[in-house]
Amino acid sequence: DARVTQTPRHKVTEMGQEVTMRCQPILGHNTVFWYRQTMMQGLELLAYFRNRAPLDDSGMPKDRFSAEMPDATLATLKIQPSEPRDSAVYFCASGLVRDGQTGTEAFFGQGTRLTVV
Amino acid sequence: KQEVTQIPAALSVPEGENLVLNCSFTDSAIYNLQWFRQDPGKGLTSLLLIQSSQREQTSGRLNASLDKSSGRSTLYIAASQPGDSATYLCAVNTGGFKTIFGAGTRLFVKA
Repeated sequence: DARVTQTPRHKVTEMGQEVTMRCQPILGHNTVFWYRQTMMQGLELLAYFRNRAPLDDSGMPKDRFSAEMPDATLATLKIQPSEPRDSAVYFCASGLVRDGQTGTEAFFGQGTRLTVV
Repeated sequence: KQEVTQIPAALSVPEGENLVLNCSFTDSAIYNLQWFRQDPGKGLTSLLLIQSSQREQTSGRLNASLDKSSGRSTLYIAASQPGDSATYLCAVNTGGFKTIFGAGTRLFVKA
């Protein structure tokens, strides 16, 4: 069945290390979102892409975070260097936006739980 | 700036009760509103999507309403069951693909 797939599901890393999270959107979806969820802030939108082009990454700390879509089946979120405050669950979501639309129904992956020690 | 508020933050009810979860948003210029369910340690499952032109959507025991002019949406759960225990999140799509989430309502249904 169609679903958003995220890897890894869990990641523990030491402060200063590079972390790469991957997302496979639902086949045919043209919009991909990255969210971060913490107890304190809830769900925050970090970045989103349409047709592989970044539309808005204003929610993302630019100095250490980067998001890319190398192809239509893969989105990546990279943190370099990682810090303990980056510990959170990172969700990827995808949706299909048709011409003329400015929104979509979002389908979420299971998330990557990141712990930076 | 769009803000989304959900009340109550937590709710505990006995099995079989009908219940209402509330979501309010500050800017009525929305594209759609989505209700999600999140189980502990899991991802988000979409329950209902209401487009801005719609007033309500129904799926099984769930009914969601939308009143854009007052900036409110409600999720009605009929005949609650222990399996409904989860966190329910309201998300507003403001157009431009931005979706703003509320903090959620943690629901516990007692058997």
